[in-house]
Amino acid sequence: QVQLQESGPGLVKPSQTLSLTCTVSSGSISSGNYYWSWIRQPAGKGLEWIGRIYTSGSTNYNPSLNSRVTISLDTSKKQFSLKLSSVTAADTAVYYCAREAPSTGNWYFDLWGRGTLVTVSS
Amino acid sequence: EIVMTQSPATLSVSPGERATLSCRASQSVSSDLAWYQQKPGQAPRLLIYGASTRATGIPARFSGSGSGTQFTLTISSLQSEDFAVYYCQQYNTWLRTFGQGTKVEIK
Repeated sequence: QVQLQESGPGLVKPSQTLSLTCTVSSGSISSGNYYWSWIRQPAGKGLEWIGRIYTSGSTNYNPSLNSRVTISLDTSKKQFSLKLSSVTAADTAVYYCAREAPSTGNWYFDLWGRGTLVTVSS
Repeated sequence: EIVMTQSPATLSVSPGERATLSCRASQSVSSDLAWYQQKPGQAPRLLIYGASTRATGIPARFSGSGSGTQFTLTISSLQSEDFAVYYCQQYNTWLRTFGQGTKVEIK
């Protein structure tokens, strides 16, 4: 059973860069027809898709965050990472990593990490 | 960006009763719609994809319908473990978007 686990600092200062890593417990992160994604959720609010990276390394980012977001793969460590620059208090949220998988033309987030709370505060 | 709008924001239902949740897309997403359930402190769990296909292990009391811009999630007879927040999500465009959620609470 593949599992995802987020890791990274729980506190980031304003204007700095938020960095999180998601470790995939088994299988290859660079093969298969999957998107490796980041999604966040401010306290008491809904889900916001941040972006994704395909197994080939191609990326898509939410335009609302585009200029601040970078998602990358480290296949040797079975990890993918999120960097969000110039953070403000509005970036405080639980951050989830998730796998998006296909089935007969449909795509869905079938695996999720448990989520990690990142607080932006001085 | 396709905006997903869910209604109502909160639904109060008694155990054993039927719950009907709605999701509207700002433009057609065909049947490229999924539903997720989220309980406090947990990650979302996939319930439905393709607007009406139940994910593996999801009980038959959960059903989805709709296409284009209007979708419905129905829980036929609410169990105690079904009280949670439900999100719809479209995957018709590469920019994935979620609804704001419907909280199903005990009446």
